[in-house]
Amino acid sequence: ETGVTQSPTHLIKTRGQQVTLRCSSQSGHNTVSWYQQALGQGPQFIFQYYREEENGRGNFPPRFSGLQFPNYSSELNVNALELDDSALYLCASSPQRGLSTDTQYFGPGTRLTVL
Amino acid sequence: GENVEQHPSTLSVQEGDSAVIKCTYSDSASNYFPWYKQELGKRPQLIIDIRSNVGEKKDQRIAVTLNKTAKHFSLHITETQPEDSAVYFCAQRKGAGSYQLTFGKGTKLSVIP
Repeated sequence: ETGVTQSPTHLIKTRGQQVTLRCSSQSGHNTVSWYQQALGQGPQFIFQYYREEENGRGNFPPRFSGLQFPNYSSELNVNALELDDSALYLCASSPQRGLSTDTQYFGPGTRLTVL
Repeated sequence: GENVEQHPSTLSVQEGDSAVIKCTYSDSASNYFPWYKQELGKRPQLIIDIRSNVGEKKDQRIAVTLNKTAKHFSLHITETQPEDSAVYFCAQRKGAGSYQLTFGKGTKLSVIP
C-alpha cells in the first residue's frame, strides 16, 4: 500500500507570485483534503476534493484553489502570495464511505516560504 | 462554532509516568475525534481515534476517553518512553456531510529519561 506523497518538499517564492503544490493520495483513497499548518499551530482546513469536485471549504480566500484528477491526485494553487501564506501545506487522503469522509492520513507536507 | 480547546500546551513527564492531554469542543454535532502525533519536521500521524457512540478506546499504552455530555475528550499515554516525545493534536469532525477536521493548537510532550 502506497502512502500519501507530496511535492515539492520545500519551496521559496516572493510576494505576488503563484504556486502549485501536488499530492498523490494513498492507494484506494478517493478523497483529498488540504490543510495549512502555520508554525506552532494545528493544521487548518482549506478544502476537500471528491470525484474531482470541491465539496467542502474552510475560511480561506478564493486565491486558494484546487483540482482533483481522475486518478485522485490533487493540486493546491495559491495566487498572489502573501507573507502570511508561509506555512507547511499538508495533504490528507481518506476513503469516502457514504456521505461522510473517514479517517484522514497525512502526507509529509510542502514547506512554503514567501519572501 | 467548531472550536477545539487543547490543554496543556506543554507537558513534561518522567519516563515511565503517565501523560494526559485534554480537549474540549463546542459543537454537540461532532461525532469523530482523532488524535495525531507530529514529530519535528514530520507529518501528523494518526495514533488513535474515537467515535461518538463509544466512551473509551485503548490501543496498548494509548487510550482515549470521550465525555459527550461535558463535550471533552482526553488522550492518556501510560508508561511513557522518550520516543513518545512529540507534539500531539486533538481534532474533531461534525456528523455526516461534514468534511473538515478542526484541530486543537497542540501539546508538546517531553518525556525525560
